[in-house]
Amino acid sequence: EPEVTQTPSHQVTQMGQEVILRCVPISNHLYFYWYRQILGQKVEFLVSFYNNEISEKSEIFDDQFSVERPDGSNFTLKIRSTKLEDSAMYFCASSARGSQPQHFGDGTRLSIL
Amino acid sequence: AQSVTQLGSHVSVSEGALVLLRCNYSSSVPPYLFWYVQYPNQGLQLLLKYTTGATLVKGINGFEAEFKKSETSFHLTKPSAHMSDAAEYFCAVSDRDSNYQLIWGAGTKLIIKP
Repeated sequence: EPEVTQTPSHQVTQMGQEVILRCVPISNHLYFYWYRQILGQKVEFLVSFYNNEISEKSEIFDDQFSVERPDGSNFTLKIRSTKLEDSAMYFCASSARGSQPQHFGDGTRLSIL
Repeated sequence: AQSVTQLGSHVSVSEGALVLLRCNYSSSVPPYLFWYVQYPNQGLQLLLKYTTGATLVKGINGFEAEFKKSETSFHLTKPSAHMSDAAEYFCAVSDRDSNYQLIWGAGTKLIIKP
């Protein structure tokens, strides 16, 4: 069964550094999402992406964050100038259509020191 | 605005007993409802979904859920718990007005006693 893959599984970065989290969505999917889960808290929506542009973003997704689909397969989340509070598990998801279930990767655990 | 409430951060049942995990939602438009399961150190796996049609939906691993509009609920059940069901379960809601972003409950950790 096709799956969403995320790399790396764990990223450790110094505060203030930039990180790029990578995702390869399911190949025929058109809608892409990023979520995060801070330890012990709810999963939170960050951003959705469709037709090469952001379709929705949350208050969390400020100027520090950006997303890109640089080629036909990868979907990346960039965090500029990371802060301690960015430490979380970041999940990528994709769906064939907006109303269809989202399929998730195993996540990237981001630790900011 | 949408929201999801899962009653009970931890639910403990004996192996072979009924599993009932509660989820209530609020949405101003017809919702799409989902249950996801997360095993330790793994991602979020879809258990089942409700979009339209039959209100009783069946998912993987013997789980099912019933959409009750009058109660704004989407509780998850399984007749007989198995040790392998121990995991964290998340209820989520989305709708067209919010571009299908998933709004999540806080999760319920299911503990199975031998």
